[in-house]
Amino acid sequence: EPEVTQTPSHQVTQMGQEVILRCVPISNHLYFYWYRQILGQKVEFLVSFYNNEISEKSEIFDDQFSVERPDGSNFTLKIRSTKLEDSAMYFCASNPGLVAGSPLHFGNGTRLTVT
Amino acid sequence: AQSVTQLGSHVSVSEGALVLLRCNYSSSVPPYLFWYVQYPNQGLQLLLKYTTGATLVKGINGFEAEFKKSETSFHLTKPSAHMSDAAEYFCAVSARNSGTYKYIFGTGTRLKVLA
Repeated sequence: EPEVTQTPSHQVTQMGQEVILRCVPISNHLYFYWYRQILGQKVEFLVSFYNNEISEKSEIFDDQFSVERPDGSNFTLKIRSTKLEDSAMYFCASNPGLVAGSPLHFGNGTRLTVT
Repeated sequence: AQSVTQLGSHVSVSEGALVLLRCNYSSSVPPYLFWYVQYPNQGLQLLLKYTTGATLVKGINGFEAEFKKSETSFHLTKPSAHMSDAAEYFCAVSARNSGTYKYIFGTGTRLKVLA
């Protein structure tokens, strides 16, 4: 069964550094999402992406965050200048978007640790 | 706007006992409802979904959920708990929002299964 793949599985960075989290969504999916989960807390929506542009973003997704689909397969989340509070698990998800109510398919996540 | 409330952040049951995880939703349009399971250090895996039609939905691993519109509930049940069911469970609601589907997750319920 096709999967959403995320790399790296764990990223450690120093405060103020830029990080790029990478995702390869399922190939025929049209909608892409990033969520984050601070340790032990809820799964929070960051951004959704469709047709090469952001369709919705949350309050968390401020100017420090950006997303890009640089080619036909990758979907990246960039954090320009990381803060300690950005430490979390980041999940990429995709959805075919063709059928109402189709579920999100999640990757295994990237654990980001900012020191 | 949509929202999801999961009652009980932690639930403990004995092996072989009934599992009941509660979820109530709020939606201004007919909702699509999902239950996901998250095992340690993994992404979210779809257990089951409700879109339209039959209100009792069966999922993987023996889980099922019933959509009750009058109670705005979508509780997850399993007749007999196994040790392998120990995980975090998330209820989610989805609805179309300005051309894209927005997925909102509850705060999660951690299920502990006692031997």
